[in-house]
Amino acid sequence: GAVVSQHPSRVICKSGTSVKIECRSLDFQATTMFWYRQFPKKSLMLMATSNEGSKATYEQGVEKDKFLINHASLTLSTLTVTSAHPEDSSFYICSARALQGRGGELFFGEGSRLTVL
Amino acid sequence: DAKTTQPPSMDCAEGRAANLPCNHSTISGNEYVYWYRQIHSQGPQYIIHGLKNNETNEMASLIITEDRKSSTLILPHATLRDTAVYYCIDTTGNQFYFGTGTSLTVIP
Repeated sequence: GAVVSQHPSRVICKSGTSVKIECRSLDFQATTMFWYRQFPKKSLMLMATSNEGSKATYEQGVEKDKFLINHASLTLSTLTVTSAHPEDSSFYICSARALQGRGGELFFGEGSRLTVL
Repeated sequence: DAKTTQPPSMDCAEGRAANLPCNHSTISGNEYVYWYRQIHSQGPQYIIHGLKNNETNEMASLIITEDRKSSTLILPHATLRDTAVYYCIDTTGNQFYFGTGTSLTVIP
């Protein structure tokens, strides 16, 4: 099946620093990528939708200046958590939707666990 | 915003069929219902999706009611490795919003 890769899988940073998480579709081109965050024992919460070559669409309540999303190519989207604080500690998961030929299925990465000290 | 309703938890004996229900009463006429599962601290794994007809693949079967307001995911012979949180997703609006899911525990 299709593979979506996230990097890093775990990151620990100091409060006030910025962290970048990469999401790559390895064997298909993704017109749309989605970013989710997940707190312990909770469901996935959609943060934003990014389309290649255009600005991301953020869900209500998600600060776009805090969570910068760049979808520079059909295989790469990045999420940058700017000026991270302990409350940003979470599990961040990306997903990618393929171009025609994959039936619109959504493929998920393995997630990136961010811990802000 | 989640548009699906699922029971929070279920148990199933190993080797028996696990039937997981989902209510998606607000789904629009041409949107698919997707099912994913998530094992602890991993990314969600695709299981199956359908529009109107019942679907079957190597992992599961999906039964969709005629009015499309609900569906049931069937794992025909549950194993211990099927213990996970199962999410049914209404993709109305071309978005994948996760509901609270059903935590399935397969018991030996």
